[in-house]
Amino acid sequence: DGGITQSPKYLFRKEGQNVTLSCEQNLNHDAMYWYRQDPGQGLRLIYYSQIVNDFQKGDIAEGYSVSREKKESFPLTVTSAQKNPTAFYLCASSLRRGASNEKLFFGSGTQLSVL
Amino acid sequence: QQQVKQSPQSLIVQKGGISIINCAYENTAFDYFPWYQQFPGKGPALLIAIRPDVSEKKEGRFTISFNKSAKQFSLHIMDSQPGDSATYFCAASYGKLTFGQGTILTVHP
Repeated sequence: DGGITQSPKYLFRKEGQNVTLSCEQNLNHDAMYWYRQDPGQGLRLIYYSQIVNDFQKGDIAEGYSVSREKKESFPLTVTSAQKNPTAFYLCASSLRRGASNEKLFFGSGTQLSVL
Repeated sequence: QQQVKQSPQSLIVQKGGISIINCAYENTAFDYFPWYQQFPGKGPALLIAIRPDVSEKKEGRFTISFNKSAKQFSLHIMDSQPGDSATYFCAASYGKLTFGQGTILTVHP
């Protein structure tokens, strides 16, 4: 059953703590993305990766970091520098980036809250 | 800079009614306009999409209307059902996808 798996579903962060959100895909897609969803603000792009060992900043990358060591995996770390981390985080993939009609496949998201 | 503006933020419709969500864009380089549907606690999924060379696309009860000169496009849901209750995002792309703010649709039985 192909798709994108995000874990955990809920995550709590303490002050000054870094936390890592997991994203795995078995769709054999080249491109992967991280979005942040806040009520009334739509989906904002944090980071994206078009190929293994390469990634680019999106519109709101400050306070976040990523890695792409394997095609299937694209973890997101929310660092202590991100002062307002409470949000719903969505991982997505597409066959490739750059085509206008790219179809994004999303995971079920991780809700991150600050303790 | 918000390049895709979506309205309304929330919408309540009676079962059987028509739901209409509107989006406007500024960048004329956009050449693909998808709509994504998101159920609570889930990720969005592509619902329907249109290219600017056509004025309308229909898939079942869902129709996109596109007005290139006005730089506007809208989603119409005919015979709205409680199962359509979800958040809807319009988007626009020219190789980079930009999402609207989202509309929370509630269809009352």
